Formats: sequence, structure tokens, C-alpha cells
Amino acid sequence: DGGITQSPKYLFRKEGQNVTLSCEQNLNHDAMYWYRQDPGQGLRLIYYSQIVNDFQKGDIAEGYSVSREKKESFPLTVTSAQKNPTAFYLCASSPSRRGTDTQYFGPGTRLTVL
Amino acid sequence: QKEVEQNSGPLSVPEGAIASLNCTYSDRGSQSFFWYRQYSGKSPELIMFIYSNGDKEDGRFTAQLNKASQYVSLLIRDSQPSDSATYLCAVRGGSSASKIIFGSGTRLSIRP
Repeated sequence: DGGITQSPKYLFRKEGQNVTLSCEQNLNHDAMYWYRQDPGQGLRLIYYSQIVNDFQKGDIAEGYSVSREKKESFPLTVTSAQKNPTAFYLCASSPSRRGTDTQYFGPGTRLTVL
Repeated sequence: QKEVEQNSGPLSVPEGAIASLNCTYSDRGSQSFFWYRQYSGKSPELIMFIYSNGDKEDGRFTAQLNKASQYVSLLIRDSQPSDSATYLCAVRGGSSASKIIFGSGTRLSIRP
């Protein structure tokens, strides 16, 4: 099956702990994105990558880090510097950087800080 | 002013009626416009995309774009209870060509 997978589905973090959220796609898409969604709110862009070994900060990058070592993988690390990390995290991909390309979403990871 | 604005709702529509969802955007150079449906606790799924002025129909869904007014809408005909969800408007292009800007969504409720 082609698609975008995210793991884990649910994640619990203790104060001061770093955690890494996985995102993998087998759609051969060039661009990948990470969003955060808080209850009753829209999606806010954390980081995005248009090509392997390159990524850009989105609107709320502070306290997060990413890597893009392989085309199909774009993991997100939520560091202890992120003061309010409890949220629904969504990974997306699109075929290329062109302005008309649609983004497709993975199932999401729900992160809760204990 | 938000880049993409939607009425948060909830919008309540009787079953079988037409639901009309509206969205305005601020970047006049925007090129691509998308509507996503998001059920509670789930990820967004693409319903429609539109690039040119006018209407685009797909089954019960019609997207309408008016670039002069910076306005995009989604009509859902013969509304069903399964259409109850949050609908996200998204815009790409202009000064943010490499990323999509999302509105905060309109919550739609179809009452039997």
C-alpha cells in the first residue's frame, strides 16, 4: 500500500525529555512537512523539506528539530525546549515544490506531556 | 489580518440541504486552493482543489473560486450526516509558494 505512515499513534512525554516522532512515505514525494494542531485550531507549520539533506523552519520551529537523510523519511524531534508540546502532530508530503501540488497527510501522532 | 480566514461555526444544516462553506485569503498572488475534511481525532483528507476562477464540481461537492474577491467556497449538495466534520480551507502560492497556509476550519453539523 502506498501512503504516509506515522508512529507512534499516541506518545507520552515526561517533562525535560526529548521524543522523536516518525514519518515515512513510499509515494516518492520530494517535499515533506510537519504540522502541529491544537484543539479547535488550524494547522501550524513546524518544519518542511523540499529535498533530501535540506529543510526550512516553518512558523513555529522553536523547540523542534528535524532531519531529512532519506527521501522517504522525515522524523521530528520534540525537545525539552518546547514548553507546551501537548498537541496533535501531522506529517504531510507533496510530489514536488511546485505551487500547485497538493499535500497528503499521515494519520497523525497525539503527544501528551505528563 | 489572518492569511486564510474561515468562520469557525458551528454551521448547522438539515440533512438533504446544501451546505455552503466560505473562505477568504489575503495574498493576491495565491495560485492553488484546497478544501480538506477532518473528522474529530483524524487527519485531514483532501476533498477538492481548484486553480482557476469559476466552479469545479466533483460529485456532491463544488468548489468556487473568485480571485478578484480573494474568495473560495465549498458547496456540499444533498448533505448527509457523514458530512459532519471540520472543513479546512488551504491556500498555496504567492509569497508562500513552497508551503500551504491553512485556515482554522469551519465545523459543519448535519442534523437529521
